[in-house]
Amino acid sequence: DQQVKQNSPSLSVQEGRISILNCDYTNSMFDYFLWYKKYPAEGPTFLISISSIKDKNEDGRFTVFLNKSAKHLSLHIVPSQPGDSAVYFCAASGNTGGFKTIFGAGTRLFVKA
Amino acid sequence: DAGVIQSPRHEVTEMGQEVTLRCKPISGHNSLFWYRQTMMRGLELLIYFNNNVPIDDSGMPEDRFSAKMPNASFSTLKIQPSEPRDSAVYFCASSFDISGNTIYFGEGSWLTVV
Repeated sequence: DQQVKQNSPSLSVQEGRISILNCDYTNSMFDYFLWYKKYPAEGPTFLISISSIKDKNEDGRFTVFLNKSAKHLSLHIVPSQPGDSAVYFCAASGNTGGFKTIFGAGTRLFVKA
Repeated sequence: DAGVIQSPRHEVTEMGQEVTLRCKPISGHNSLFWYRQTMMRGLELLIYFNNNVPIDDSGMPEDRFSAKMPNASFSTLKIQPSEPRDSAVYFCASSFDISGNTIYFGEGSWLTVV
């Protein structure tokens, strides 16, 4: 049973445009959500996060939106750059019997120059 | 800080052989995670330790997989016997065990079982 779902395996966007990556979760005990970025042959690195008490968090070109009622979050990248091409993982954590962090399957973003 | 350190970075082994992957978490972190990345499932949580104690091993695929954390600075993930379907990238990660904390990943161990 996948508790964190990223239904789009890939996304292609033109440089300068907005990239929107989506994520859904099922467990209402999750109270902290994160996005990680992964380049080939490297480990995932933390990108941005949001607590369940907020509905938006912004860091430069990256903004994460949280809709708790829909159990949905999204990552917006504006403007997209070729260096943003990577796999993006959505993750959720909370006291679900231990503070483990569960990841989605990832979305591969291609930003075309 | 050196970050999470994993070894080996790459391993190629024959089916039936024992494989041991090693991890040194970030000093001071009290939670350690083993994840496996595959094309089909993305990042799967295999097992999670808190203060060196296994808390949740429900993601361990079968009895051929085992993990230990003998002290706060070292953990192993062992596969015995290994099978070709175990080929994947295995990541170790660590964090403070409080919700709202970021987990930090190592660079991964690339395992190929032939």
